[in-house]
Amino acid sequence: QVQLVQSGAEVKKPGASVKVSCKASGYTFSNYGISWVRQAPGQGLEWMGWVSTANGNTSYAQTLQGRVTMTADTSTSTVYMELRSLRSGDTAVYYCAREGANCVYGECYPIDAFDIWGQGTMVTVSS
Amino acid sequence: SSELTQDPAVSVALGQTIRITCQGDSLRNYYATWYQQKPGQAPILVIYGKNKRPSGIPDRFSGSSSGNTASLTITGAQAEDEAAYYCQSWDTSVNHYVFGTGTEVTVL
Repeated sequence: QVQLVQSGAEVKKPGASVKVSCKASGYTFSNYGISWVRQAPGQGLEWMGWVSTANGNTSYAQTLQGRVTMTADTSTSTVYMELRSLRSGDTAVYYCAREGANCVYGECYPIDAFDIWGQGTMVTVSS
Repeated sequence: SSELTQDPAVSVALGQTIRITCQGDSLRNYYATWYQQKPGQAPILVIYGKNKRPSGIPDRFSGSSSGNTASLTITGAQAEDEAAYYCQSWDTSVNHYVFGTGTEVTVL
């Protein structure tokens, strides 16, 4: 079945970096972009950025520019999100989410909605 | 503006109808997408585009829009609809997706 499976929980110290993986299966990886969304404890959802699985293009939220890097490995159908210079405010559950698309005769058009989500990865930043 | 504003919490009696609203400038040009999130779980997509439901989402969920306000309506709310609901849209001023502040729905 179509799914995104993320790597396990992480505990990091302030100033460190974390790299979370998201492995896709059950569909053609390069037809759908992947976004990362985080949720601090008891808070709402925050879009972090997007990576094209077709060509590696990225777009990041302005609040994270310079600290975040998203990459896609087509050989393993895996997307990675690295966040650097961690601070306590980065403590959150991190989700990868597939950008849904309508595919007709091999052409895929994004629907501006996240139709498949990973299970989430808890990242705790604490000294 | 990159803000999408939702009421923090609403309640509905079992079997009654509830409308959850989402306000923001970006909604004048883009449809709102709606997600349901239960405690400890990832969000799931319930409405996208012009009132489209993914496979498996009950038809008691519907979406609508007028001006800068989008609405998610649950007609005949069930106990399993108790959850947080988030709207989402595309903000052209910053070229990124934006989520609403979220609404906690309680089914009484």
